[in-house]
Amino acid sequence: KNQVEQSPQSLIILEGKNCTLQCNYTVSPFSNLRWYKQDTGRGPVSLTIMTFSENTKSNGRYTATLDADTKQSSLHITASQLSDSASYICVVSAKSGANNLFFGTGTRLTVIP
Amino acid sequence: DAGVTQSPTHLIKTRGQQVTLRCSPISGHKSVSWYQQVLGQGPQFIFQYYEKEERGRGNFPDRFSARQFPNYSSELNVNALLLGDSALYLCASSPGLADTDTQYFGPGTRLTVL
Repeated sequence: KNQVEQSPQSLIILEGKNCTLQCNYTVSPFSNLRWYKQDTGRGPVSLTIMTFSENTKSNGRYTATLDADTKQSSLHITASQLSDSASYICVVSAKSGANNLFFGTGTRLTVIP
Repeated sequence: DAGVTQSPTHLIKTRGQQVTLRCSPISGHKSVSWYQQVLGQGPQFIFQYYEKEERGRGNFPDRFSARQFPNYSSELNVNALLLGDSALYLCASSPGLADTDTQYFGPGTRLTVL
C-alpha cells in the first residue's frame, strides 16, 4: 500500500534554532519527492523536489535529503524564523496514474520568539 | 504572473444544499486537480482534468463532480452537502501530466457545512 508517514506530528522550537522533519514512504514505483510548506488556511507551496538520483537539495535555509534505499527523506530548517511557522507536507509521486501523488499528514512547526 | 486563483475564499452552506467552487490555473497550465483537505490531515485527491477530459478520480461519492472549460479553468460541484464535506478545497494546476510536473496550489476555498 502506498503510504507517506511524517514525524514528528508537531514541533515547537525557539527562533534561531535548527530543526529536522522526517518523512518515510512506501510509494512504488517512485518518481519524486517534494516538500511543501502550508501556512494555516492557505494552499501548499513547493519548497523542493527530489528525484531518485538526488541525495540533497537546498532552497535557502531549507535543505532536503533523500535516501531512496531506505525510502526516507528529511527536511532541515536552519536558523528558524517566526515566518517558518507552518505545516510541512511530504508528497511522494508515483511514476504513473492521475492519482499518483501521496501526501503525508504534515508536521506542524511552531517557531516562538 | 498570477498564480492559481480560487473562488470564493470562504463559503457557508447548510446540509442538503449544493455548492460550486471555481479555479483558474496558472496561464499555460493545462492540468487541474482538486483536493479535499480536512483539518489536520493531508490533502485527499478528488479529480484531475487535462485538456477538458477527466484523467483521474479519487475515492469520493458521485455527489462530487467537476468539469474543465476550454480556457482550462475548472469547477467542482458538490451536491446534497453533508457535515463531513466541511473542509478546505484546494485546486492545483500543472503544465501537463508528467510525473515531474510540479503542482501549484491555489489558496483554497474553505467550505463550512452547518
